[in-house]
Amino acid sequence: KNQVEQSPQSLIILEGKNCTLQCNYTVSPFSNLRWYKQDTGRGPVSLTIMTFSENTKSNGRYTATLDADTKQSSLHITASQLSDSASYICVVNDYKLSFGAGTTVTVRA
Amino acid sequence: DAGVIQSPRHEVTEMGQEVTLRCKPISGHDYLFWYRQTMMRGLELLIYFNNNVPIDDSGMPEDRFSAKMPNASFSTLKIQPSEPRDSAVYFCASSFLAGNTGELFFGEGSRLTVL
Repeated sequence: KNQVEQSPQSLIILEGKNCTLQCNYTVSPFSNLRWYKQDTGRGPVSLTIMTFSENTKSNGRYTATLDADTKQSSLHITASQLSDSASYICVVNDYKLSFGAGTTVTVRA
Repeated sequence: DAGVIQSPRHEVTEMGQEVTLRCKPISGHDYLFWYRQTMMRGLELLIYFNNNVPIDDSGMPEDRFSAKMPNASFSTLKIQPSEPRDSAVYFCASSFLAGNTGELFFGEGSRLTVL
């Protein structure tokens, strides 16, 4: 069983709307948790990093949260843009990286 | 820095042929990783190197796969003989202090199609 589960598998939203992606993990404790953005045909790029003790971290319109008690992280995209269309991958680092399968976001005009 | 550079970007070959994928990591990074990505399985770690030495190759599917890192600026992933089920996107990534922050810098990937 994968130690990092992401939901939903995919979603479609209208430009300008908000959305939230979920990441549930069993790895504990861990050093940090990252969200990566992967554009079609490109390699993943790090969006945010949170340590075990952090609750929230923002990067522009992207806000990641972490609840160590429930072992959940979320990535919130505010005022979505067409360029946000991508896969978003949650990665937990306990000195071995555990990858989620990703959520594919499609933003439509 | 130009980032992690992979070649070729696309490779189409026939079953049984040898495939060699190449990677140039970011200068100064001491970790290099090879990943395979498919729709079904997502990103899978194949092997990683630290200071040019293979550390963990437990993800290499079988003996048909081999990887080398002859120096700090070059690595290859070889598949011989290739099979249709090897069709995937292969990513190379590099990092420094991987055990600390764990940020990976990925190349653009090599899309392999085995007919």
